[in-house]
Amino acid sequence: SAVISQKPSRDICQRGTSLTIQCQVDSQVTMMFWYRQQPGQSLTLIATANQGSEATYESGFVIDKFPISRPNLTFSTLTVSNMSPEDSSIYLCSVAELGRSFFGQGTRLTVV
Amino acid sequence: GQQVMQIPQYQHVQEGEDFTTYCNSSTTLSNIQWYKQRPGGHPVFLIQLVKSGEVKKQKRLTFQFGEAKKNSSLHITATQTTDVGTYFCAGDSGYSTLTFGKGTMLLVSP
Repeated sequence: SAVISQKPSRDICQRGTSLTIQCQVDSQVTMMFWYRQQPGQSLTLIATANQGSEATYESGFVIDKFPISRPNLTFSTLTVSNMSPEDSSIYLCSVAELGRSFFGQGTRLTVV
Repeated sequence: GQQVMQIPQYQHVQEGEDFTTYCNSSTTLSNIQWYKQRPGGHPVFLIQLVKSGEVKKQKRLTFQFGEAKKNSSLHITATQTTDVGTYFCAGDSGYSTLTFGKGTMLLVSP
């Protein structure tokens, strides 16, 4: 099973600033996924990141707000830009392997 | 777009009682997956169901996939306090992205 290291695990940020979340996988994977999970809520897919191409964003999420990098097959970053309190949430990266998804530990973001 | 409904939202049982959560998709699924998330943790994969009418068991957990491949259930027999957490179903319509249900939070009292 894939092992995913995600950092930071948590952060408190000022509104208007940006935070970059990093995700490292212990094996090469084609697609990496970024989710948002608000407290007590379900997981909402933000975007799918493929190596060598632009990320594919889900409805309601845009590249200017959530730019994603995917420089190689084991690493990806998600930036939350120009943050507001509404961006306070848990952000999770994920990979899929043999019909199952594996998740990083998550980044708990609080915007003040 | 695809929607996955899951009920109940919350259930509180006494240890030893059974528990069931139900999942219903607005579209036919390629497969359905179930995940468990402990408080403060991340989702952990439990199982994938692929075939119409499929039933799989993992110890006290029984998973079913409907004949039409649009609904699924997870049943836990004789719950234990270690079963506490939120159980999510996630539907895959065949495009490699998952749509998660809202989850059922299970609380088990000793």
